[in-house]
Amino acid sequence: DTEVTQTPKHLVMGMTNKKSLKCEQHMGHRAMYWYKQKAKKPPELMFVYSYEKLSINESVPSRFSPECPNSSLLNLHLHALQPEDSALYLCASSQDTGAGASYEQYFGPGTRLTVT
Amino acid sequence: GNSVTQMEGPVTLSEEAFLTINCTYTATGYPSLFWYVQYPGEGLQLLLKATKADDKGSNKGFEATYRKETTSFHLEKGSVQVSDSAVYFCALNANTGFQKLVFGTGTRLLVSP
Repeated sequence: DTEVTQTPKHLVMGMTNKKSLKCEQHMGHRAMYWYKQKAKKPPELMFVYSYEKLSINESVPSRFSPECPNSSLLNLHLHALQPEDSALYLCASSQDTGAGASYEQYFGPGTRLTVT
Repeated sequence: GNSVTQMEGPVTLSEEAFLTINCTYTATGYPSLFWYVQYPGEGLQLLLKATKADDKGSNKGFEATYRKETTSFHLEKGSVQVSDSAVYFCALNANTGFQKLVFGTGTRLLVSP
């Protein structure tokens, strides 16, 4: 099973709302990722978790708060977002993150977020 | 720095035509190279990969060969179908840790019956 699941599929939220995106994988992968994808653009890396620890934060604004409760789950907590944060948010996982080796990333279907 | 350059789209073809989508890269060391496909309204799917020079990745009739001498990883398919219509992303992983992918801008393929 090479499936990464994401919920919800669509989310509309106001600028004062607090919401969360959820991502789950059961492949035993130890690395998980959040990406943001704007229309007609490639995905942009936001965060990397390795063995449940935050390893990379690509200078993402603090209104995005990631959380990795266990090795299978990844959340992205959203608060006080701006309309320009509207995008497709993709989760991915890979077996590991070690240097000198190549591990393919498996992507979920994404959550399409609209901030009004 | 590391970068990936893809041909501008859209690429418009008739069914059963031959497909080539060009991809060139700039990287230090020995990156791994990938092609991902994104169908409308969906996430990215790994299409194929190559991890060293002269490797050929293949899947579902698509092929790409890792050419270190020309720093290229062009995607080809002998006979496209309407169902191949999607956006194709070329990407590299510099293998320096944390599996950071560098994506090209994507190429939209439109196949008509």
